[in-house]
Amino acid sequence: DVVMTQSPLSLPVTPGEPASISCRSSQSLLYSNGYNYVDWYLQKPGQSPQLLIYLGSSRASGVPDRFSGSGSGTDFTLKISRVEAEDVGIYYCVQALHSPRTFGQGTKLEIK
Amino acid sequence: QVQLVESGGGVVQPGRSLRLSCAASGFMFGDYGMNWVRQAPGKGLEWVAQIWFDGSNKYYSDSVKGRFTVSRDNSKNTLNLQMNSLRGEDTAVYYCARDGWDSGLYRGMDVWGQGTTVTVSS
Repeated sequence: DVVMTQSPLSLPVTPGEPASISCRSSQSLLYSNGYNYVDWYLQKPGQSPQLLIYLGSSRASGVPDRFSGSGSGTDFTLKISRVEAEDVGIYYCVQALHSPRTFGQGTKLEIK
Repeated sequence: QVQLVESGGGVVQPGRSLRLSCAASGFMFGDYGMNWVRQAPGKGLEWVAQIWFDGSNKYYSDSVKGRFTVSRDNSKNTLNLQMNSLRGEDTAVYYCARDGWDSGLYRGMDVWGQGTTVTVSS
């Protein structure tokens, strides 16, 4: 199975400051169509997960443009340009190229 | 509006069975692949199973293969998960999630239900 390794696992951030989460996969997630099959999700406290980024860098509908995804192959990054209080929660990367799909361990973002 | 509503969770003894359902509304259910994802208490997300839009292909995590069966009834807009030989480690909140799809491309798991809780305990 593809192993997805996130870092850091805990991320305290001051509001207005940027934040970055890394996700590394044990196998390439670049498909022959040129797209990387990695998504990013946010699970806010007490809520279901919500899609932020799909295919590595495409923002889902309604997601603020302060969220961006980048990377290719085995190294991916989620960036928040200016963290807001509503961004607290656990962020997960997941690969959707190989079966079974696999999630990263999660990164808990908290406000300082 | 686009919505997924899970049901069927509860407390069950080890070794017994349980069937979860996910009712879809607000979109053409038969056009989308669907997933089950679970979250054990205090733990991260774990993908469990996937079924293609027409039910022709099904995939499972190693931890549930041979014990769980995913199915769908497109005429009733319903996704199911039959869980047999349940174990303590199957205790979790179970979410159904839609595979977004547009213009021939995967668009992430773009719609999630609120989850249903399964507790396996004697």
